[in-house]
Amino acid sequence: KAGVTQTPRYLIKTRGQQVTLSCSPISGHRSVSWYQQTPGQGLQFLFEYFSETQRNKGNFPGRFSGRQFSNSRSEMNVSTLELGDSALYLCASSPGTADQPQHFGDGTRLSIL
Amino acid sequence: GQQLNQSPQSMFIQEGEDVSMNCTSSSIFNTWLWYKQEPGEGPVLLIALYKAGELTSNGRLTAQFGITRKDSFLNISASIPSDVGIYFCTGAQKLVFGQGTRLTINP
Repeated sequence: KAGVTQTPRYLIKTRGQQVTLSCSPISGHRSVSWYQQTPGQGLQFLFEYFSETQRNKGNFPGRFSGRQFSNSRSEMNVSTLELGDSALYLCASSPGTADQPQHFGDGTRLSIL
Repeated sequence: GQQLNQSPQSMFIQEGEDVSMNCTSSSIFNTWLWYKQEPGEGPVLLIALYKAGELTSNGRLTAQFGITRKDSFLNISASIPSDVGIYFCTGAQKLVFGQGTRLTINP
């Protein structure tokens, strides 16, 4: 069974640009969550999508947005990039019903110059 | 908001030693999950706990769901080099993760 796939694996951008990251969940999983991981802040929850609707949202500015498509694939967009946005962005999928663990992709490493 | 305190933050041990780490929550959890992350990879699920007092093993790993439902423990017995990584805890809602325990093993 294929795992969670994130593309691209690495990305370099400059301040002020925008970026879109992609996540393909495990087949049959309807929930996709996004996290930002930095050495100083650890794993920070961005948002969760379930059946194309945002179900939960973390405490990030509006520059961070996402969406989910009918096939459960999800994209995350960050606009007006700042140096502090440099991080590993992780996507995780789960079936979506209560208490079912999620499984992570290997992330997209975003570097802002 | 919900907070998770994970300790210790780092451990430096000799190969063959046992390891113990724990997580404490400010609120009650119905589920505890433990993940391990290796360099360049995403976290991988190790153990899921669903019931207060539950003790679950996965090879040399054993995790317990505290009876107060506010804490959980992960133990690794007879550590080996491939145990190196960062271990994270979280609850079922996955909104908050512990800060991680970085395990380093001296051969």
